[in-house]
Amino acid sequence: AQSVTQLGSHVSVSEGALVLLRCNYSSSVPPYLFWYVQYPNQGLQLLLKYTSAATLVKGINGFEAEFKKSETSFHLTKPSAHMSDAAEYFCAVTYTGAGSYQLTFGKGTKLSVIP
Amino acid sequence: KAGVTQTPRYLIKTRGQQVTLSCSPISGHRSVSWYQQTPGQGLQFLFEYFSETQRNKGNFPGRFSGRQFSNSRSEMNVSTLELGDSALYLCASSLEGQGNEKLFFGSGTQLSVL
Repeated sequence: AQSVTQLGSHVSVSEGALVLLRCNYSSSVPPYLFWYVQYPNQGLQLLLKYTSAATLVKGINGFEAEFKKSETSFHLTKPSAHMSDAAEYFCAVTYTGAGSYQLTFGKGTKLSVIP
Repeated sequence: KAGVTQTPRYLIKTRGQQVTLSCSPISGHRSVSWYQQTPGQGLQFLFEYFSETQRNKGNFPGRFSGRQFSNSRSEMNVSTLELGDSALYLCASSLEGQGNEKLFFGSGTQLSVL
């Protein structure tokens, strides 16, 4: 069975500071890993995905994440926070060879950006 | 290209009623999946359809059902509504429903059960 743990349900950073959102996964087979962002009253938008190519993945809006197999982690970072980054972020996992597409999500981390 | 469209946007029902939610995927996408989002349980997988066939189902009671039409549009139905069914229901589509694909989400249907 696969699972995702996001450390910290709420993270606050100052504008211009580093953003670090933590995600650890559990999967018995090679995983596909994703970060999605959700703005209020909207659906989810894909930020980036890891699908067994490069371990450092660059996404939209300046975000990136690094897949570390030894640590079973896929933390999301952004060097400098912007006010528009305030949203809820979800880490998700599925696995290679799945017969259908089923994402398992973490509980989410709400990011606040302080001016 | 139009995105994933879900209707209605908001819905208020009472306990015991049934409800049908609709989802139109992005043109050309054959896989449609549904997720329930609540503050307590987070995002949970309901089911996934591909070419009119349900390929996978999450751990939800039989009151939750769905279907997909030949044009890939999908509906989900919840019968005998309970207060705990109040949630945001999200539909997502992808080309072939493979794990390395990007999922495109709709804005959701907010269901309130009174």
